[in-house]
Amino acid sequence: AQKITQTQPGMFVQEKEAVTLDCTYDTSDPSYGLFWYKQPSSGEMIFLIYQGSYDQQNATEGRYSLNFQKARKSANLVISASQLGDSAMYFCAIQGGSNYKLTFGKGTLLTVNP
Amino acid sequence: GAVVSQHPSWVICKSGTSVKIECRSLDFQATTMFWYRQFPKQSLMLMATSNEGSKATYEQGVEKDKFLINHASLTLSTLTVTSAHPEDSSFYICSARVASGSTLTQYFGPGTRLTVL
Repeated sequence: AQKITQTQPGMFVQEKEAVTLDCTYDTSDPSYGLFWYKQPSSGEMIFLIYQGSYDQQNATEGRYSLNFQKARKSANLVISASQLGDSAMYFCAIQGGSNYKLTFGKGTLLTVNP
Repeated sequence: GAVVSQHPSWVICKSGTSVKIECRSLDFQATTMFWYRQFPKQSLMLMATSNEGSKATYEQGVEKDKFLINHASLTLSTLTVTSAHPEDSSFYICSARVASGSTLTQYFGPGTRLTVL
């Protein structure tokens, strides 16, 4: 079984500052993938970034970077230079097992203040 | 990224009626699609895995006869909520899986908000 834990129900950040959203995971699979999705109030799930368990380097996509610490089983999302449009729910997810299903955490609601 | 559409975006129906939700991959073929359900302020819960040309695989606790899934083509999967009741009111969201190298990424549709009166 796989599990994702997001301990921050809500986070606040000032516009233009960086913010880190926490994610820890648990899995017995030797190979797995970690994803972050953004869900604005409209409801759509937007894929942000992916980190494979065997990737040596931390993933980056524009202003998003994933701080992957395998020994600690953490995959924190770092958003640099926050924008008002970043206000949304953020979900961490793990993919693994023979069927490659995604298991989501409970999410973190990020609010960017002007 | 890959584009997934869903139709309708919202639907209101009377208790006892059936509702069909379509999920389409617009610019790629998807042999595997997923259906999720999301209650307000909660996370996504996987309902079933939809495989093209074969029966769907349902998660534990999901009623197969109530939530009918058909994946008739490589670009279309449908979810039919049969004999809907108010407790079926929820946000239903589909995804399609895309392979890119060794990565399998799920791209999501915009979701369908179902309200059963």
